[in-house]
Amino acid sequence: SYELTQPLSVSVALGQTARITCEGDNIGSKNVHWYQQKPGQAPVLVIYRDSKRPSGIPERFSGSNSGNTATLTITRGQAGDEADYYCQVWDSSTAHVLFGGGTNLTVL
Amino acid sequence: EVQLVESGGGLVQPGGSLRVSCAASEFTFSHYWMSWVRQAPGKGLEWVAIINQDGSEEKYVGSVKGRFTISRDNAKNSLYLQMNSLRAEDTAVYYCARVYDGYAASDYWGQGTLVTVSS
Repeated sequence: SYELTQPLSVSVALGQTARITCEGDNIGSKNVHWYQQKPGQAPVLVIYRDSKRPSGIPERFSGSNSGNTATLTITRGQAGDEADYYCQVWDSSTAHVLFGGGTNLTVL
Repeated sequence: EVQLVESGGGLVQPGGSLRVSCAASEFTFSHYWMSWVRQAPGKGLEWVAIINQDGSEEKYVGSVKGRFTISRDNAKNSLYLQMNSLRAEDTAVYYCARVYDGYAASDYWGQGTLVTVSS
């Protein structure tokens, strides 16, 4: 079965750029979505279809997807960006939704 | 503003049943696929089930197939998850989510309802 692998944690200095990866076999052929979840809150869609931003999501959030790795990039990291981030795909072969294990982002 | 409000969570004994609901408002509910996603305490997100616009197509994660049933009532703008033969490992916050596109991005989520399976 298809699997998505994310690092457990990523740290970034205040004002610097954070990159969170999501690895999967030929993930570049799939559409990847990214969610932000803060403690005690529901997830929020921050990137869909690899690189599109929903309305209201700052331009500091961007996404890319190629080969076996999709990446969520957050520029000018802020304390308010501290959260868990999850990647997600639709596996058309099984018609199942798959989430990565999640990455905890810490802003130092 | 799109709203999704879950209800029906609670404490249930192993082997028991529970139905959770999701009331949708401020969008044309019948136009969207909908899904349930759960999150066990301290764990990550796990997709549970998805249903198409008219309820004729359903998909489930393997661990709940045959025990859980997703359904919807478009006249009532409501989504449901009937959970039978519950196990301790089903303990989680259950979120309903609106599916935005054909690649299952979920653009709106409810606040979640906690289901605890314990004796």
